[in-house]
Amino acid sequence: GNSVTQMEGPVTLSEEAFLTINCTYTATGYPSLFWYVQYPGEGLQLLLKATKADDKGSNKGFEATYRKETTSFHLEKGSVQVSDSAVYFCALPSNTGFQKLVFGTGTRLLVSP
Amino acid sequence: DAGVIQSPRHEVTEMGQEVTLRCKPISGHNSLFWYRQTMMRGLELLIYFNNNVPIDDSGMPEDRFSAKMPNASFSTLKIQPSEPRDSAVYFCASKGAGEQYFGPGTRLTVT
Repeated sequence: GNSVTQMEGPVTLSEEAFLTINCTYTATGYPSLFWYVQYPGEGLQLLLKATKADDKGSNKGFEATYRKETTSFHLEKGSVQVSDSAVYFCALPSNTGFQKLVFGTGTRLLVSP
Repeated sequence: DAGVIQSPRHEVTEMGQEVTLRCKPISGHNSLFWYRQTMMRGLELLIYFNNNVPIDDSGMPEDRFSAKMPNASFSTLKIQPSEPRDSAVYFCASKGAGEQYFGPGTRLTVT
């Protein structure tokens, strides 16, 4: 079935550094792809999404491009802030369930001043 | 919109006690999901409902766990009897035509 693989964390960066969090997927067809973010003590919230190949999702300075050639959806940000410290989850719809999402294991980002 | 509402936010109970977690989805959303998050196992989908009907409960770990959705605006997740290994953060999420929206979670500690 559909699945995602994320890079292990934690990712530790200094403020204003460039961020990449890798995500690769296995899927039937070309489903939508998502990045969710979980700030400390909160639930997950959608950060960005892409609905078809070559689409770029963006929000709050983060970007991710849906690349079918490499089956990837890497998350990038040009200059991270301390407030970006959180856990980031890559996700896509399940091909076995109706409305279900399949989440990656999550990557913790720690940004120091 | 108030978002997905969960109660209680924190629950501490003793092993063997019954625990009930509550969720109010966003009005108009027709799908509801219960997740469990732990350091060891990450984020796990326990069960989800569509139009108040359970669609997939394959993630429910044991018969000690049960979930109900008596109407479109309320769902419960019950653990009876609770065990220390049930300690986790439990999230409820709801979905309409768009994305899933998560609640703030209930942190459960079973001593």
